Amino acid sequence: DGGITQSPKYLFRKEGQNVTLSCEQNLNHDAMYWYRQDPGQGLRLIYYSQIVNDFQKGDIAEGYSVSREKKESFPLTVTSAQKNPTAFYLCASSIDRTNEQFFGPGTRLTVL
Amino acid sequence: AQKVTQAQTEISVVEKEDVTLDCVYETRDTTYYLFWYKQPPSGELVFLIRRNSFDEQNEISGRYSWNFQKSTSSFNFTITASQVVDSAVYFCALSEGGYGQNFVFGPGTRLSVLP
Repeated sequence: DGGITQSPKYLFRKEGQNVTLSCEQNLNHDAMYWYRQDPGQGLRLIYYSQIVNDFQKGDIAEGYSVSREKKESFPLTVTSAQKNPTAFYLCASSIDRTNEQFFGPGTRLTVL
Repeated sequence: AQKVTQAQTEISVVEKEDVTLDCVYETRDTTYYLFWYKQPPSGELVFLIRRNSFDEQNEISGRYSWNFQKSTSSFNFTITASQVVDSAVYFCALSEGGYGQNFVFGPGTRLSVLP
């Protein structure tokens, strides 16, 4: 089945550690996105990529990094520079910016 | 800058009641796209509808209907005969047609349908 997978579902990290969240899609979509959602809040864009080997910062990119070496994959690294990384992270993809985004199941990151 | 407002933070209804979720948007583009998503307790966002700025026809899909009015910059969502399974957070979103713009999500409306 076509879709978006994110792993792991739950992730625990000690302060000062970098951690990478995986996002893979087999929908053949060019655009991919990372969002952060805090409890009871809406979605905030971290990074987005409209094509392989290209990506742009979203509204809250500080403390995060991404790569887009393959069309299917858009991993997000949460670095130690991110001061408050505990949140729910959602990955999405779309044909392009103007079409609907399809979301993965999300990763809940907790910093201990 | 583009903006999406969902003034209703939380709504509670009793099963079988009709409920309307409001969405008001701001954009300077003449070409733009509006969306609704549902986020059930599991967390994964589910796409419901996409509407472009040149198509003001209302849409009905089963118990769901959408009312797009450019004159008031609104794209409201109505659930008829609500069910407990409709309980979720609903997000309205806007994407502009110009280069470099992206989705902007509204803050969401939490709908609780009580049995």
